[in-house]
Amino acid sequence: KQEVTQIPAALSVPEGENLVLNCSFTDSAIYNLQWFRQDPGKGLTSLLLIQSSQREQTSGRLNASLDKSSGRSTLYIAASQPGDSATYLCAVGPNSKLTFGKGITLSVRP
Amino acid sequence: DVKVTQSSRYLVKRTGEKVFLECVQDMDHENMFWYRQDPGLGLRLIYFSYDVKMKEKGDIPEGYSVSREKKERFSLILESASTNQTSMYLCASREGAYNEQFFGPGTRLTVL
Repeated sequence: KQEVTQIPAALSVPEGENLVLNCSFTDSAIYNLQWFRQDPGKGLTSLLLIQSSQREQTSGRLNASLDKSSGRSTLYIAASQPGDSATYLCAVGPNSKLTFGKGITLSVRP
Repeated sequence: DVKVTQSSRYLVKRTGEKVFLECVQDMDHENMFWYRQDPGLGLRLIYFSYDVKMKEKGDIPEGYSVSREKKERFSLILESASTNQTSMYLCASREGAYNEQFFGPGTRLTVL
């Protein structure tokens, strides 16, 4: 059974710092990996989708990488801002059903 | 832009009531999902549907049923609400396994 781990559960950084959020998964037989952002009390917003054949995807200040063989993905956030404060979740799927990590709650201090 | 909407943002019901949570997507997606999200437990899949009138149990289907009569609409039904079903309910849709998944805004259900 696929397991997705995100450590640490919470992270606090000063504004302007570049940071990396980690995601690991146990079964490398995935179609793709997706990163989401969730603000308190809200639904999940899709940030990036990386297909299993890809190594990375970029959107603005966000860059996500995927190393399928080692079961790892990282989400890089450049020049962090207080508006980046949220919970970030990764999810992988061998099919249409995704398995989610529990998320990393990021706080960016002004 | 893909839009997934849910019928209520907040809902308060009494124990034993029948509860309907509605979800609508506007992008003709094949797959639709219902999750619940609880602190410390993360997102857990309740049911999903891969076509009209087709459904499959997720990880925690007990106490829930679903209905998908039209492609754009997926309903979650709590036949007899209980206090342990107090949670955030999230609906999602995606076209297929290689495509992005999109979520609705969530329904915070409280069962008293």
